[in-house]
Amino acid sequence: DTGVSQDPRHKITKRGQNVTFRCDPISEHNRLYWYRQTLGQGPEFLTYFQNEAQLEKSRLLSDRFSAERPKGSFSTLEIQRTEQGDSAMYLCASSLGARADEQYFGPGTRLTVT
Amino acid sequence: GENVEQHPSTLSVQEGDSAVIKCTYSDSASNYFPWYKQELGKRPQLIIDIRSNVGEKKDQRIAVTLNKTAKHVSLHITETQPEDSAVYFCAATPNYGGSQGNLIFGKGTKLSVKP
Repeated sequence: DTGVSQDPRHKITKRGQNVTFRCDPISEHNRLYWYRQTLGQGPEFLTYFQNEAQLEKSRLLSDRFSAERPKGSFSTLEIQRTEQGDSAMYLCASSLGARADEQYFGPGTRLTVT
Repeated sequence: GENVEQHPSTLSVQEGDSAVIKCTYSDSASNYFPWYKQELGKRPQLIIDIRSNVGEKKDQRIAVTLNKTAKHVSLHITETQPEDSAVYFCAATPNYGGSQGNLIFGKGTKLSVKP
Protein backbone atom coordinates (compact mmCIF):
# COMPACT_ATOMS: atom_id res chain seq x y z
CA ASP A 1 0.00 0.00 0.00
CA THR A 2 1.63 3.26 -1.12
CA GLY A 3 -0.83 5.54 0.66
CA VAL A 4 -0.43 7.45 3.90
CA SER A 5 -0.05 5.11 6.85
CA GLN A 6 -0.54 5.76 10.56
CA ASP A 7 0.39 3.82 13.65
CA PRO A 8 -1.17 2.76 15.93
CA ARG A 9 -4.70 2.59 14.57
CA HIS A 10 -6.21 2.59 18.04
CA LYS A 11 -4.88 3.78 21.37
CA ILE A 12 -6.54 3.59 24.76
CA THR A 13 -4.81 5.46 27.55
CA LYS A 14 -5.52 6.72 31.01
CA ARG A 15 -5.87 10.39 31.75
CA GLY A 16 -2.53 11.95 32.49
CA GLN A 17 -0.47 9.56 30.39
CA ASN A 18 1.59 10.61 27.37
CA VAL A 19 0.92 9.16 23.92
CA THR A 20 2.77 9.34 20.62
CA PHE A 21 1.41 8.69 17.14
CA ARG A 22 3.34 8.14 13.93
CA CYS A 23 2.50 9.09 10.36
CA ASP A 24 4.28 7.93 7.21
CA PRO A 25 3.33 10.10 4.22
CA ILE A 26 3.15 9.07 0.59
CA SER A 27 6.69 8.69 -0.67
CA GLU A 28 8.20 11.99 -1.90
CA HIS A 29 5.31 14.08 -0.54
CA ASN A 30 7.01 17.08 1.03
CA ARG A 31 4.01 18.42 2.95
CA LEU A 32 2.53 16.65 5.95
CA TYR A 33 -0.54 17.73 7.91
CA TRP A 34 -2.13 16.71 11.20
CA TYR A 35 -5.87 17.04 11.81
CA ARG A 36 -8.20 16.03 14.62
CA GLN A 37 -11.71 14.72 13.98
CA THR A 38 -14.39 14.26 16.61
CA LEU A 39 -17.67 12.41 16.10
CA GLY A 40 -20.01 14.17 13.72
CA GLN A 41 -17.52 16.86 12.78
CA GLY A 42 -15.16 17.55 9.92
CA PRO A 43 -11.41 17.32 10.43
CA GLU A 44 -9.89 20.28 12.27
CA PHE A 45 -6.41 21.44 11.33
CA LEU A 46 -3.66 21.11 13.95
CA THR A 47 -0.34 21.71 12.22
CA TYR A 48 1.63 21.16 9.03
CA PHE A 49 5.18 20.63 7.86
CA GLN A 50 6.96 21.38 4.66
CA ASN A 51 9.89 18.98 4.64
CA GLU A 52 11.20 19.17 8.22
CA ALA A 53 9.98 22.73 8.91
CA GLN A 54 6.79 23.19 10.94
CA LEU A 55 5.15 26.10 9.13
CA GLU A 56 1.81 26.56 10.82
CA LYS A 57 0.14 25.63 14.10
CA SER A 58 -3.52 25.96 15.01
CA ARG A 59 -4.63 27.48 18.28
CA LEU A 60 -6.10 24.01 18.95
CA LEU A 61 -2.52 22.80 19.39
CA SER A 62 -2.04 23.51 23.08
CA ASP A 63 1.35 23.32 24.76
CA ARG A 64 0.60 19.68 25.64
CA PHE A 65 0.84 18.83 21.95
CA SER A 66 4.07 18.63 20.01
CA ALA A 67 4.79 17.44 16.49
CA GLU A 68 8.05 16.66 14.76
CA ARG A 69 9.23 15.64 11.34
CA PRO A 70 12.95 15.31 11.92
CA LYS A 71 14.15 14.10 8.54
CA GLY A 72 11.35 15.38 6.37
CA SER A 73 9.83 11.92 6.02
CA PHE A 74 7.68 10.44 8.82
CA SER A 75 6.17 12.59 11.54
CA THR A 76 5.22 12.06 15.17
CA LEU A 77 2.50 13.75 17.19
CA GLU A 78 2.87 13.58 20.97
CA ILE A 79 0.22 14.49 23.51
CA GLN A 80 1.42 14.94 27.07
CA ARG A 81 -0.77 14.63 30.17
CA THR A 82 -3.75 13.45 28.15
CA GLU A 83 -7.24 14.67 29.05
CA GLN A 84 -10.61 13.12 28.25
CA GLY A 85 -11.23 15.95 25.81
CA ASP A 86 -8.31 14.70 23.74
CA SER A 87 -10.33 11.63 22.73
CA ALA A 88 -10.70 11.87 18.96
CA MET A 89 -9.48 10.52 15.64
CA TYR A 90 -6.09 11.96 14.73
CA LEU A 91 -5.65 12.11 10.97
CA CYS A 92 -2.50 12.68 8.99
CA ALA A 93 -2.44 13.85 5.39
CA SER A 94 0.28 14.53 2.85
CA SER A 95 0.64 16.46 -0.38
CA LEU A 96 3.23 17.20 -3.01
CA GLY A 97 4.87 20.26 -4.45
CA ALA A 98 2.99 22.32 -6.97
CA ARG A 99 -0.34 20.72 -6.06
CA ALA A 100 0.29 21.13 -2.36
CA ASP A 101 -3.37 21.64 -1.52
CA GLU A 102 -4.41 18.17 -2.80
CA GLN A 103 -4.17 16.38 0.51
CA TYR A 104 -4.39 12.61 0.86
CA PHE A 105 -5.37 11.24 4.23
CA GLY A 106 -4.22 8.29 6.26
CA PRO A 107 -6.59 5.94 8.12
CA GLY A 108 -6.17 7.80 11.39
CA THR A 109 -5.36 6.90 14.98
CA ARG A 110 -8.37 6.69 17.26
CA LEU A 111 -7.45 7.87 20.75
CA THR A 112 -9.61 7.06 23.74
CA VAL A 113 -8.68 8.66 27.06
CA THR A 114 -10.31 6.99 30.06
CA GLY B 1 -10.42 33.45 9.29
CA GLU B 2 -12.23 31.09 6.92
CA ASN B 3 -15.51 29.48 7.94
CA VAL B 4 -17.30 26.81 5.91
CA GLU B 5 -20.98 26.03 6.38
CA GLN B 6 -22.40 22.88 4.82
CA HIS B 7 -25.97 21.72 4.36
CA PRO B 8 -27.95 19.62 4.62
CA SER B 9 -26.47 17.65 7.50
CA THR B 10 -28.34 14.53 6.36
CA LEU B 11 -29.72 13.61 2.96
CA SER B 12 -31.68 10.52 1.99
CA VAL B 13 -32.38 9.69 -1.66
CA GLN B 14 -33.66 6.75 -3.65
CA GLU B 15 -31.20 4.84 -5.79
CA GLY B 16 -30.98 6.48 -9.20
CA ASP B 17 -31.97 9.95 -7.97
CA SER B 18 -29.61 12.92 -7.83
CA ALA B 19 -28.11 14.38 -4.66
CA VAL B 20 -26.92 17.94 -4.13
CA ILE B 21 -24.82 19.15 -1.20
CA LYS B 22 -24.07 22.84 -0.75
CA CYS B 23 -21.37 24.78 1.07
CA THR B 24 -20.88 28.45 1.75
CA TYR B 25 -17.45 29.82 2.59
CA SER B 26 -16.61 33.16 4.16
CA ASP B 27 -13.14 34.10 2.91
CA SER B 28 -13.21 35.52 -0.62
CA ALA B 29 -9.46 34.84 -0.86
CA SER B 30 -10.02 31.07 -0.70
CA ASN B 31 -9.11 29.54 -4.02
CA TYR B 32 -9.26 25.75 -3.73
CA PHE B 33 -12.28 23.66 -2.80
CA PRO B 34 -11.94 19.89 -2.44
CA TRP B 35 -14.68 17.41 -1.60
CA TYR B 36 -14.00 14.33 0.48
CA LYS B 37 -16.02 11.15 0.94
CA GLN B 38 -15.67 9.32 4.25
CA GLU B 39 -17.19 5.90 4.75
CA LEU B 40 -17.76 4.67 8.28
CA GLY B 41 -14.47 3.95 10.01
CA LYS B 42 -12.39 4.85 6.97
CA ARG B 43 -10.15 7.69 5.85
CA PRO B 44 -11.49 10.76 4.04
CA GLN B 45 -11.03 10.23 0.29
CA LEU B 46 -10.57 13.10 -2.14
CA ILE B 47 -13.27 12.64 -4.80
CA ILE B 48 -13.24 15.91 -6.72
CA ASP B 49 -11.91 19.44 -6.39
CA ILE B 50 -12.23 22.82 -8.04
CA ARG B 51 -10.08 25.91 -8.19
CA SER B 52 -11.32 29.47 -8.18
CA ASN B 53 -10.52 30.06 -11.86
CA VAL B 54 -13.04 27.38 -12.91
CA GLY B 55 -16.83 27.42 -12.61
CA GLU B 56 -17.62 23.72 -13.00
CA LYS B 57 -15.82 20.40 -13.08
CA LYS B 58 -17.21 16.92 -13.83
CA ASP B 59 -15.95 13.42 -13.24
CA GLN B 60 -18.37 10.73 -14.39
CA ARG B 61 -21.38 10.89 -12.04
CA ILE B 62 -20.06 13.66 -9.82
CA ALA B 63 -19.71 17.36 -10.53
CA VAL B 64 -18.76 20.41 -8.53
CA THR B 65 -19.84 23.98 -9.24
CA LEU B 66 -18.39 27.19 -7.85
CA ASN B 67 -20.09 30.56 -7.59
CA LYS B 68 -17.35 32.95 -6.48
CA THR B 69 -19.68 35.93 -6.20
CA ALA B 70 -22.00 34.16 -3.80
CA LYS B 71 -19.12 32.16 -2.23
CA HIS B 72 -21.02 28.93 -2.82
CA VAL B 73 -19.65 25.57 -3.87
CA SER B 74 -21.90 22.58 -4.57
CA LEU B 75 -21.43 18.85 -5.11
CA HIS B 76 -23.79 17.07 -7.48
CA ILE B 77 -24.08 13.29 -7.64
CA THR B 78 -26.25 11.84 -10.39
CA GLU B 79 -27.66 8.32 -10.72
CA THR B 80 -26.90 7.62 -7.08
CA GLN B 81 -25.99 4.08 -6.02
CA PRO B 82 -26.01 2.45 -2.57
CA GLU B 83 -22.19 2.59 -2.51
CA ASP B 84 -22.42 6.39 -2.62
CA SER B 85 -23.74 6.23 0.96
CA ALA B 86 -21.15 8.00 3.15
CA VAL B 87 -20.40 11.32 4.83
CA TYR B 88 -19.30 14.01 2.38
CA PHE B 89 -17.20 16.98 3.44
CA CYS B 90 -16.48 20.18 1.58
CA ALA B 91 -13.38 22.17 2.41
CA ALA B 92 -11.67 25.40 1.51
CA THR B 93 -8.07 26.42 1.63
CA PRO B 94 -7.38 30.09 2.27
CA ASN B 95 -4.59 31.53 0.19
CA TYR B 96 -2.10 33.01 2.59
CA GLY B 97 0.08 35.09 0.32
CA GLY B 98 0.38 32.25 -2.17
CA SER B 99 1.33 29.60 0.39
CA GLN B 100 -1.25 26.83 0.74
CA GLY B 101 -1.65 25.48 4.20
CA ASN B 102 -4.50 23.92 6.05
CA LEU B 103 -7.94 22.89 4.86
CA ILE B 104 -11.03 24.27 6.61
CA PHE B 105 -13.79 21.65 6.55
CA GLY B 106 -17.55 21.85 6.74
CA LYS B 107 -19.36 19.68 9.27
CA GLY B 108 -20.30 17.05 6.73
CA THR B 109 -23.41 15.66 5.05
CA LYS B 110 -24.48 12.08 5.71
CA LEU B 111 -25.85 10.75 2.43
CA SER B 112 -27.99 7.63 2.48
CA VAL B 113 -28.97 6.01 -0.82
CA LYS B 114 -31.87 3.60 -0.45
CA PRO B 115 -32.03 0.66 -2.88
